Amino acid sequence: QVQLQESGPGLVKPSQTLSLTCTVSGGSISSGDFYWSWIRRPPEKGLEWIGYIYYTGTTHYSPSLESRVTMSVDTSKNQFSLSLSSVTAADTAVYYCARVDPSSGWYVVDFWGQGTLVTVSS
Amino acid sequence: DIQMTQSPSSLSASVGDRVTITCRASQNIDTYLNWYQQKPGKAPKLLVYAASSLQSGVPSRFRGSGSGTDFTLSISSLQPEDVATYSCQQSFSTPQLTFGGGTKVEI
Repeated sequence: QVQLQESGPGLVKPSQTLSLTCTVSGGSISSGDFYWSWIRRPPEKGLEWIGYIYYTGTTHYSPSLESRVTMSVDTSKNQFSLSLSSVTAADTAVYYCARVDPSSGWYVVDFWGQGTLVTVSS
Repeated sequence: DIQMTQSPSSLSASVGDRVTITCRASQNIDTYLNWYQQKPGKAPKLLVYAASSLQSGVPSRFRGSGSGTDFTLSISSLQPEDVATYSCQQSFSTPQLTFGGGTKVEI
């Protein structure tokens, strides 16, 4: 059973960079069968897809966040990471790392981390 | 970009009631529509994929239907453990994914 676990600061100051890491266990990021994704849910709002990364380092980002997002992967540690620059209060959310299975064509998000709350505040 | 609109944003029903949640896409997405359930304090869980296919282990009281632009998630007999927020997600415009705004179901 694949498990994902987010880690990183829970509080980030405005204009700074939010950085999170996701550690994957129970499966290898390098298997090549999946995309590794970041998704967030702001308070009282819907889920928002941030983007995903393939084990080769190929990325796809949400157009609305593309200018501020960078994702990276470390296959040796079975981890992938998110950086979001120039954060504002609007970036306050629970951030989830997740696995996306594209094999069926329906790009289901089949495994999720428990989520980590990141608050942007001075 | 494809926009996903869910209605209602919240609802309250009684145990045993039939509950229906709607998700509308801003353009034709065929059956590239998945549904997720998120219980309070938990991560989302896949319920339905390809608009109408139930994920393994999901109770049969859940049913997804629809194609094109209009989709429905139904719960035939609401149970206390179904209290959650339900979200739709389109995968027609991959690699871009889009979620709906969510529907909060309460008893």
